[in-house]
Amino acid sequence: GAVVSQHPSWVICKSGTSVKIECRSLDFQATTMFWYRQFPKQSLMLMATSNEGSKATYEQGVEKDKFLINHASLTLSTLTVTSAHPEDSSFYICSAMGTAPGMETQYFGPGTRLLVL
Amino acid sequence: LAKTTQPISMDSYEGQEVNITCSHNNIATNDYITWYQQFPSQGPRFIIQGYKTKVTNEVASLFIPADRKSSTLSLPRVSLSDTAVYYCLVGDNQAGTALIFGKGTTLSVSS
Repeated sequence: GAVVSQHPSWVICKSGTSVKIECRSLDFQATTMFWYRQFPKQSLMLMATSNEGSKATYEQGVEKDKFLINHASLTLSTLTVTSAHPEDSSFYICSAMGTAPGMETQYFGPGTRLLVL
Repeated sequence: LAKTTQPISMDSYEGQEVNITCSHNNIATNDYITWYQQFPSQGPRFIIQGYKTKVTNEVASLFIPADRKSSTLSLPRVSLSDTAVYYCLVGDNQAGTALIFGKGTTLSVSS
């Protein structure tokens, strides 16, 4: 149980294009999902918290118009990197938190590697 | 700002027991302690979670003293495949708040 998937696992795009990353909780309902990014040799940095049916809460320094987050259902959150630039190249990881007993912890997806050329 | 402090790195040999201690002096009453393992280019994998005393599962044990200001992850008989970064995090699961990652501990296991 407690499986979180991400799609795609990796993506290469040209500068200026937009990229959408999906995060799904496969076997539990997640009222809250989180998006992190991780640069090489560094720790995970929280970007935003996403609650189903409401607007995401972004961390300080994260541009909400550049990183669009939608949490349309209890099993799906999407992150869209708009007008991507090379400095957006990173490893993006989502996590999901359930509310059922025993599920009150964060389970992480496998990550999405984004390379912007 | 991360709520926890861990050693940056540790070295071990195959078959040894490894104990990684984490300091969380400002842990709140409702906070749980959770440990994750991360391999390169993968998402963090849940290892163990606890609130107080001792918790054991099939891969690790977690020791939490009465004051809860620290915790120790114990990995019995490590193997080469346990080489990874280990993160200790504290957070209020009930409130649905995000876990803030510190630098973690890079464990290197040699033969």
